[in-house]
Amino acid sequence: ETGVTQSPTHLIKTRGQQVTLRCSSQSGHNTVSWYQQALGQGPQFIFQYYREEENGRGNFPPRFSGLQFPNYSSELNVNALELDDSALYLCASSLQGYTEAFFGQGTRLTVV
Amino acid sequence: AQKITQTQPGMFVQEKEAVTLDCTYDTSDQSYGLFWYKQPSSGEMIFLIYQGSYDEQNATEGRYSLNFQKARKSANLVISASQLGDSAMYFCAMSHSGGYQKVTFGIGTKLQVIP
Repeated sequence: ETGVTQSPTHLIKTRGQQVTLRCSSQSGHNTVSWYQQALGQGPQFIFQYYREEENGRGNFPPRFSGLQFPNYSSELNVNALELDDSALYLCASSLQGYTEAFFGQGTRLTVV
Repeated sequence: AQKITQTQPGMFVQEKEAVTLDCTYDTSDQSYGLFWYKQPSSGEMIFLIYQGSYDEQNATEGRYSLNFQKARKSANLVISASQLGDSAMYFCAMSHSGGYQKVTFGIGTKLQVIP
């Protein structure tokens, strides 16, 4: 079991609403990456945060935004939810410059 | 742009036998890393093994080994002595540099271990 926890584990939202997902990083890790995994697909990189700054972004629109806090925990915010945003959202905690990353159990978001 | 290709949607293997899961990749980077992850039905991604692009030896971690053929751009995962608990989705992934940066995942292979 990793030290990375995500909350909530499941969430149902209505199209057009906003959602905030949370991730606590492994102790000693300073980097958090977020991924979207649609059903039957591999995870897609959303963005990465290192020392409270965005450090790389995938092909996602600006309505996907994030934050990293001084304790290295992180939030993913999605505005104006669309049906296609329904997916498993995973966060991964790592130490910058190292290859090992630990994933949380994910948040399953359903948009209706 | 980086790309990972996994062409085996599903694989079956008899318990205690070895199995190879295929992965090919495409990148213009000179320095990159290759990963394999296991995803049980619970959803959590479990790190299995890592190979750096400049590593000359194939990576091994217990029953897992990575067959790295740089010229062919392939990074196949070999699981020896399969166990029932190995039944899961397996993802091949690549990072942009030697660290954990902008990781690109393949579509995955579903492995089922038969008693």
